[in-house]
Amino acid sequence: GAGVSQTPSNKVTEKGKYVELRCDPISGHTALYWYRQSLGQGPEFLIYFQGTGAADDSGLPNDRFFAVRPEGSVSTLKIQRTERGDSAVYLCASSSGTENSPLHFGNGTRLTVT
Amino acid sequence: AQSVTQLGSHVSVSEGALVLLRCNYSSSVPPYLFWYVQYPNQGLQLLLKYTTGATLVKGINGFEAEFKKSETSFHLTKPSAHMSDAAEYFCAVSGFSGNTGKLIFGQGTTLQVKP
Repeated sequence: GAGVSQTPSNKVTEKGKYVELRCDPISGHTALYWYRQSLGQGPEFLIYFQGTGAADDSGLPNDRFFAVRPEGSVSTLKIQRTERGDSAVYLCASSSGTENSPLHFGNGTRLTVT
Repeated sequence: AQSVTQLGSHVSVSEGALVLLRCNYSSSVPPYLFWYVQYPNQGLQLLLKYTTGATLVKGINGFEAEFKKSETSFHLTKPSAHMSDAAEYFCAVSGFSGNTGKLIFGQGTTLQVKP
């Protein structure tokens, strides 16, 4: 596809369950970012990948959150033991990885924890 | 540390009127500044950015913004609003050389355009 693809677009889960959110970046983009956008707020940085490695995971709120990018393309954000406070829109963005290269955002996954 | 403050969570203008969305930032390093727009059920789209050089930056859809270091501001303007400009707008700052994708966003301003 031409843009960043995120699946599913909506996810409803029960408190305590495990969820995985997927991001397909633009082909050839080496940099990939995850952000979280709570209702009425701006996006908040979670984690940044350059290639396969997490170059900066300082935004992950706690150890229930984990993300991988094993082949340097698709990334999966994993949330264990979900809590109601995890409800938000999770945004993925990719870029070519060079300085000042623009971020291209996906449409996000809306996660609702009941 | 860096932060962004967007003044006014909601702004309403008439079609054809001037659009002014305010953004002030705090940064301990020279900032890179961005404006993004988010239409309903769509991803964030880059409107414009300031990195270095000319302080008046022109973006897509007729928007522009001016970096004013003395005022720590990066306000977004458009001379004449169009109905299609109704959306949520986010100002963001980054000061991390080599990782300009790590952005600090403001809380957003919802722009309403009245016919």
